[in-house]
Amino acid sequence: DTEVTQTPKHLVMGMTNKKSLKCEQHMGHRAMYWYKQKAKKPPELMFVYSYEKLSINESVPSRFSPECPNSSLLNLHLHALQPEDSALYLCASRKGEVENTEAFFGQGTRLTVV
Amino acid sequence: AQSVTQLDSHVSVSEGTPVLLRCNYSSSYSPSLFWYVQHPNKGLQLLLKYTSAATLVKGINGFEAEFKKSETSFHLTKPSAHMSDAAEYFCVVSRSNTGNQFYFGTGTSLTVIP
Repeated sequence: DTEVTQTPKHLVMGMTNKKSLKCEQHMGHRAMYWYKQKAKKPPELMFVYSYEKLSINESVPSRFSPECPNSSLLNLHLHALQPEDSALYLCASRKGEVENTEAFFGQGTRLTVV
Repeated sequence: AQSVTQLDSHVSVSEGTPVLLRCNYSSSYSPSLFWYVQHPNKGLQLLLKYTSAATLVKGINGFEAEFKKSETSFHLTKPSAHMSDAAEYFCVVSRSNTGNQFYFGTGTSLTVIP
């Protein structure tokens, strides 16, 4: 199984809503990532978890709150988002944060904030 | 500082003709280099990777790339373009001195003309 599964695939939320994005992998990878991608742009790193601990937070606003309940799951909790937060949110995993291996990406969640 | 530069934001080729997508990297350390492809509204799929083994790397779907240290390049090629190759392509560098974080190029959009 070399899949990273993201749910939901699409999400529309109001600026006062609370929602969560979910990411799951069963490859035994110990590094997991959240990226934000705007149209026609490369992915931008948001958070890195290594062995279930947050190792990198790229100065992301607090309305985005990551959580890594176990080594297979990664969540991104959303609250009070702005329309400019509308984007494709990608989850990725790697064997380990310090290993020079490829990352496996999920299909993404297309988020629209209205 | 930019770690990887994709020299063309857009490339257009006719079906059946060769594809060349250019990527240059800047690194004082031995990098690992990757090419990913992204079809519209999809996640990123690994095409191929260079991790200090053979300098000519073969990937999926007939793509290959050659690591040239003297030119600091890792250009992606394919002998004959297919309509299904139309997508966004990202060159990515991972360096051991940065905890092996991924640095994305700005992307090249490939159009294949029938």
